[in-house]
Parts: sequence; C-alpha cells; structure tokens
Amino acid sequence: DSGVTQTPKHLITATGQRVTLRCSPRSGDLSVYWYQQSLDQGLQFLIQYYNGEERAKGNILERFSAQQFPDLHSELNLSSLELGDSALYFCASSSTPTSGGASQYFGPGTRLLVL
Amino acid sequence: GESVGLHLPTLSVQEGDNSIINCAYSNSASDYFIWYKQESGKGPQFIIDIRSNMDKRQGQRVTVLLNKTVKHLSLQIAATQPGDSAVYFCAENSGNTPLVFGKGTRLSVIA
Repeated sequence: DSGVTQTPKHLITATGQRVTLRCSPRSGDLSVYWYQQSLDQGLQFLIQYYNGEERAKGNILERFSAQQFPDLHSELNLSSLELGDSALYFCASSSTPTSGGASQYFGPGTRLLVL
Repeated sequence: GESVGLHLPTLSVQEGDNSIINCAYSNSASDYFIWYKQESGKGPQFIIDIRSNMDKRQGQRVTVLLNKTVKHLSLQIAATQPGDSAVYFCAENSGNTPLVFGKGTRLSVIA
C-alpha cells in the first residue's frame, strides 16, 4: 500500500458527461501528479500540483482540469467526455516541489469507461 | 483485468532464475531513473531508483544498472518468484521535467 488513495475505483459514464476523480496524497507529501494510462499510450503525465498551486503541465486536454485543496487532496475534472477518454487515471504523490530526482508513489487508480 | 497494453514485450522466466529487464532511454540529459512494477489492476509500485552519478544500485533482490554511454538501463531480479509477475516500467527525468515512462515489459514467471 503506497499510502495514496483514489476514489472512485471504477466509473462508467456516457459521452458528453463530466466526472470528478479524487486523490489523497501520502501523509506529508505536498505534490500531487495526475497520469493517464491507456492501452496505446502508456503512462502519460497530465498535471502536477504542489501545495495548492499548479507546478507543471503535461499532455492535459483543455476539457480536463485539476485543483489541489488546502488539505492537499486533489481532484481531476474531466468534461465533455469522449470515448477516447476511457483509460486508467492515476494519482501519485511526492514530498518535493518538483519531479526532478523525486520518487513518486502511485495510488490504485480510477478506471474510467465512457460509453 | 488488464491494466496496460496487451502487446508489450514479454519476458518469460523460470521460477528461481534471474530476470533481466532492459530499458533504452533517449534523453541524454536525464539524470534520474526509476523502475516501477505494475500488477494487474493496481497502480505502479516503486521498486528502485538511481541517479546519473551512479552506474549500479542494489536493493533487496533487485539491482539497477545504468549505462549512460549507450543510454541503457536494466533491472535485474534475483531468484525470480511467481509474485514478481507484472509489467515493469522504467521512468526518467532531468531537472524539473516530468517523469517520462517507457512502454513497459511484461514479466511472466513460470512455476
């Protein structure tokens, strides 16, 4: 158990809908990272927050947004969902403000299926 | 259920033998490398990391070797066990850049 929690574990929704994925980092970690894992793209970095502020942005679509709250949990919002958004979404956390040289610990993921 | 792609390179190893999983990286500026293990239905699990100022690092039953000249990373697992069956990813970054993950290798342990 990495100490990172994610909810829900599974999510089934329809195209055009909006969903929110939630993540709580390991105790003491201030950085939260979001990743998408699909069959054909592997693990893709989406976005990072550190202590409530956006720190780095990767291949995140404009339809997707995230935030980190004062209690350090984070939410990833996915809107106007398309079939191609079906994937595993992982959250990871680390203790450092940047990803350089820092071990990241992953949660169990949320499996999103868009029908 | 499957967590990752079905068409990954696969390494089949007899239980008790040593496993070597390889990873080639392309960014010569990368200075930090991590190996992750992902079991079916679970998130990636940290195994071991290495910085570019080292060429070898050992953990419990695992060793990571780094060859910066040819940009190659390997993970050696000693006395492979059925519980080692999983997909293994290497990841790299430099400075403040995000982690970049490789495509993964599926390790299958034959009992």
